[in-house]
Amino acid sequence: EAQVTQNPRYLITVTGKKLTVTCSQNMNHEYMSWYRQDPGLGLRQIYYSMNVEVTDKGDVPEGYKVSRKEKRNFPLILESPSPNQTSLYFCASSLSYRGPEKLFFGSGTQLSVL
Amino acid sequence: QQQVKQSPQSLIVQKGGISIINCAYENTAFDYFPWYQQFPGKGPALLIAIRPDVSEKKEGRFTISFNKSAKQFSLHIMDSQPGDSATYFCAASNGNKLVFGAGTILRVKS
Repeated sequence: EAQVTQNPRYLITVTGKKLTVTCSQNMNHEYMSWYRQDPGLGLRQIYYSMNVEVTDKGDVPEGYKVSRKEKRNFPLILESPSPNQTSLYFCASSLSYRGPEKLFFGSGTQLSVL
Repeated sequence: QQQVKQSPQSLIVQKGGISIINCAYENTAFDYFPWYQQFPGKGPALLIAIRPDVSEKKEGRFTISFNKSAKQFSLHIMDSQPGDSATYFCAASNGNKLVFGAGTILRVKS
């Protein structure tokens, strides 16, 4: 089954404790991206990757890191999480050479930073 | 600063009625305008999309109307059904980034 898999689904952590949210897709997609969803703000792009070893900042990259060492994986790293990073996070991927067209989204990771 | 402004925030429609959600954008470099549908506990899913070289696109009960000069586009859901109750997001892309509106919570009353 074609899918984007995020783990974990739920995560509660404390301020300053490094964490990684994993994202993997099995569709051989070039484009991958991370979004955070907050009430009243919609989805905001954190980082995106057009292909392996090619990453770039979205609209809200502060406090986040990503890497794209393999085509299928695109982990999101929070080196020192803060309460304002409490949010619902989505990973997405797309086959399109034009980037974020026909995005397939994962099921989301609900992160709470205490 | 919201690059894509979406309205209304919420919408209640009777079964069989027409649901209309509007979006406006400023950046003329945007060249791809999708709509995503999200059910509770799920990730968004692509519903329908349009490019600025056409003024309307229809897929089943869902239609996008696009007004390039006004920099506005809208989603029309004909014969709305309770199963259409979800959050709808408009978005706009310039090839690298995809910018979303704030979302509209649609409830279709049976």
